[in-house]
Amino acid sequence: QKEVEQNSGPLSVPEGAIASLNCTYSDRVSQSFFWYRQYSGKSPELIMSIYSNGDKEDGRFTAQLNKASQYVSLLIRDSQPSDSATYLCAVNDGATNKLIFGTGTLLAVQP
Amino acid sequence: EADIYQTPRYLVIGTGKKITLECSQTMGHDKMYWYQQDPGMELHLIHYSYGVNSTEKGDLSSESTVSRIRTEHFPLTLESARPSHTSQYLCASSEGGRVWELFFGEGSRLTVL
Repeated sequence: QKEVEQNSGPLSVPEGAIASLNCTYSDRVSQSFFWYRQYSGKSPELIMSIYSNGDKEDGRFTAQLNKASQYVSLLIRDSQPSDSATYLCAVNDGATNKLIFGTGTLLAVQP
Repeated sequence: EADIYQTPRYLVIGTGKKITLECSQTMGHDKMYWYQQDPGMELHLIHYSYGVNSTEKGDLSSESTVSRIRTEHFPLTLESARPSHTSQYLCASSEGGRVWELFFGEGSRLTVL
């Protein structure tokens, strides 16, 4: 059973700090990695995708991928209370071509 | 802005009833999906479609069925609802070149008494 593991949290950070969210995955063949944000009572929304090793930056968000360690992370700089949400890591299953989701990390940004 | 719509948003029904959850998208996406999500749990794929007249079961065993007669429409049907079907059902779509970059609808929360 291929897995995507995330710490459920809550991860609490003060406003303005850097929030670091981590995800590990079991499928060595995976090539595509995603971060979705889900506000309480809402549906997920794609915020970042990353396909190659290294960093990818988009505004205050940076995704980091290390395929050798099977590890992907999301950094949120200058965290705002509006960033408080559950962040879902998703990885493609290389064998079935489907997306596997983690259970998410709850981020709480304190004003 | 994603244009994918689900109805009803909330539904409370009795055991044994037949229900259909509607999902429509106006983006012309060829791929559509149904996920099930319970509180604190990961999303589970229950059905997907890669085009008209093409449907497949996902990873989570489900007693529901789907149809894809038109590109924009992907309804999910439960012939006889049971309390174990109580959950949040999320419809999503994606375009061909970015198959895993999903746009989600607002969800349908189903409660079976």
